[in-house]
Amino acid sequence: SQQGEEDPQALSIQEGENATMNCSYKTSINNLQWYRQNSGRGLVHLILIRSNEREKHSGRLRVTLDTSKKSSSLLITASRAADTASYFCATVGFMDMGRRALTFGSGTRLQVQP
Amino acid sequence: DAGITQSPRHKVTETGTPVTLRCHQTENHRYMYWYRQDPGHGLRLIHYSYGVKDTDKGEVSDGYSVSRSKTEDFLLTLESATSSQTSVYFCATQAGGQGETQYFGPGTRLLVL
Repeated sequence: SQQGEEDPQALSIQEGENATMNCSYKTSINNLQWYRQNSGRGLVHLILIRSNEREKHSGRLRVTLDTSKKSSSLLITASRAADTASYFCATVGFMDMGRRALTFGSGTRLQVQP
Repeated sequence: DAGITQSPRHKVTETGTPVTLRCHQTENHRYMYWYRQDPGHGLRLIHYSYGVKDTDKGEVSDGYSVSRSKTEDFLLTLESATSSQTSVYFCATQAGGQGETQYFGPGTRLLVL
């Protein structure tokens, strides 16, 4: 079963604008991760935020986590055409700590227009 | 793609035939995973391995089996392929210990006619 639902399913913006994607999940988590997938390629890890953290930054990426609402957001600032990709949130639940498996959301497809 | 290769990259097969997909890693990672990706479903875990000869089922394991005889290789077998197994299959690895990032292979696109 899917853990996360992402919103919006698709997003189209102009280069230079900010892009915000949201993820909701259902069960208690140990950590939440964001991955990017370029068309026809494998997923690439972007950032990990733990359940006791509220915000994390990495370059132009900002991730927030609200465990009370079971939600996370990914903000990409000053977007570039090269940011065009699908973005997935993935959670590691406390029940999944042994196998370390990720449960993925359905993804947000981001299109950045040059 | 962090030293992870998958073979074949594309395959067309017929219903009822056996199919084996191979994942090979050069990272010496302890954990290996097979996911399938279908439109509207994100990635779903099929099977995983936490060491040589140590494997277990994921959420969508029916119709699939796996084997891991060496650290570097993780095989996914469809014993008798069905059209519902048409999908893109991704292998991933994780170092274990403090490493929690998963590294993904490039995927195998499988079409079952």
